Amino acid sequence: EDQVTQSPEALRLQEGESSSLNCSYTVSGLRGLFWYRQDPGKGPEFLFTLYSAGEEKEKERLKATLTKKESFLHITAPKPEDSATYLCAVQGVNDMRFGAGTRLTVKP
Amino acid sequence: NAGVTQTPKFQVLKTGQSMTLQCAQDMNHEYMSWYRQDPGMGLRLIHYSVGAGITDQGEVPNGYNVSRSTTEDFPLRLLSAAPSQTSVYFCASIPDRDSDTQYFGPGTRLTVL
Repeated sequence: EDQVTQSPEALRLQEGESSSLNCSYTVSGLRGLFWYRQDPGKGPEFLFTLYSAGEEKEKERLKATLTKKESFLHITAPKPEDSATYLCAVQGVNDMRFGAGTRLTVKP
Repeated sequence: NAGVTQTPKFQVLKTGQSMTLQCAQDMNHEYMSWYRQDPGMGLRLIHYSVGAGITDQGEVPNGYNVSRSTTEDFPLRLLSAAPSQTSVYFCASIPDRDSDTQYFGPGTRLTVL
């Protein structure tokens, strides 16, 4: 069965302290790996799609990378406005599965 | 464009009651989906539609019905609410089969007593 595991569950950083979030997955026939940002009380907001191992995508302070077993969301010099829950999802042959998310807090 | 809209934002039901969660999108998207989000768990797909008149089951369809009579609307019906259906429900849409960007609505928080 397709599975997605995100770690850590929660991460607290000081402003400017770079770090990475992990998304490990098992899926039959990866068709795409997605990263979303979710603010409290709101729906997820699309960030990136990665399709194959070795692929990387960047947006402002965020960089997503993909291997055959996991994806990382690197956050460089985060700011308090980057505080949110980050969700990972994988699209396999049969369906899409979401991880439980990593709740990121960036303190000023 | 308003994007994906959902109503109501909050709802409290008693066990056994029925209700419909509304979802609409004004972007002429072909694909629409319903998810539920529970604490400590990822979003789980309930039902989805690849176009008007076409619906299919997702991972957790039991206790829910959907229909897609128009491109814009995709209501989710709870037939006989149970406490296990207490959750936050999100509707989402995708432009077409060649797109990978899913647009989510703001969610409906449902409590079943």
